[in-house]
Amino acid sequence: GQQLNQSPQSMFIQEGEDVSMNCTSSSIFNTWLWYKQDPGEGPVLLIALYKAGELTSNGRLTAQFGITRKDSFLNISASIPSDVGIYFCAGQREYGGSQGNLIFGKGTKLSVKP
Amino acid sequence: DSGVTQTPKHLITATGQRVTLRCSPRSGDLSVYWYQQSLDQGLQFLIQYYNGEERAKGNILERFSAQQFPDLHSELNLSSLELGDSALYFCASSPRPSPSPYEQYFGPGTRLTVT
Repeated sequence: GQQLNQSPQSMFIQEGEDVSMNCTSSSIFNTWLWYKQDPGEGPVLLIALYKAGELTSNGRLTAQFGITRKDSFLNISASIPSDVGIYFCAGQREYGGSQGNLIFGKGTKLSVKP
Repeated sequence: DSGVTQTPKHLITATGQRVTLRCSPRSGDLSVYWYQQSLDQGLQFLIQYYNGEERAKGNILERFSAQQFPDLHSELNLSSLELGDSALYFCASSPRPSPSPYEQYFGPGTRLTVT
């Protein structure tokens, strides 16, 4: 099935660093969601975006809905150890039926720098 | 805690067998979605129900089926299991059906291992 292009695939963070990741698609989406998944758990919703150009924050997390409606960005400021995990973007396309359901990126794995 | 519950947490079974996974959505949510998560395919949408009726199908195999009951809980039935069906199965719920803008809340998942 279709998936979003999410990058980077993995990254190492040092406490206090800012982190950026993004998701792109060749198709237009009308909703972008960002989730975080810890090992053995289900994805937890972090931020939801509904309008092109929208910038939304949730604590140290900020996400943006790209103007072209084909991309989205997530930034984490001043990272802390509990930020480690896998971050997924998910998009909902414009039309109904199965195209109205969520399509997920493959995830960005955040780990602590050794 | 998202409010979505799934049972069992873990399931180990043999090839050729049939299993049933159960999901209870958040209180008040009418939509239930099932997803499969495997290492190589990521999170893949399987099927959606809204208020008891099938709404959309994704990459769901013919060996798999689901239903949503009047009390809104849902069951995913997997039959003639193959080794490749080993994966995490997640249920998510939402108050509205697609294509309305919405948020989906995920349960803790069921880890299925087929031996």
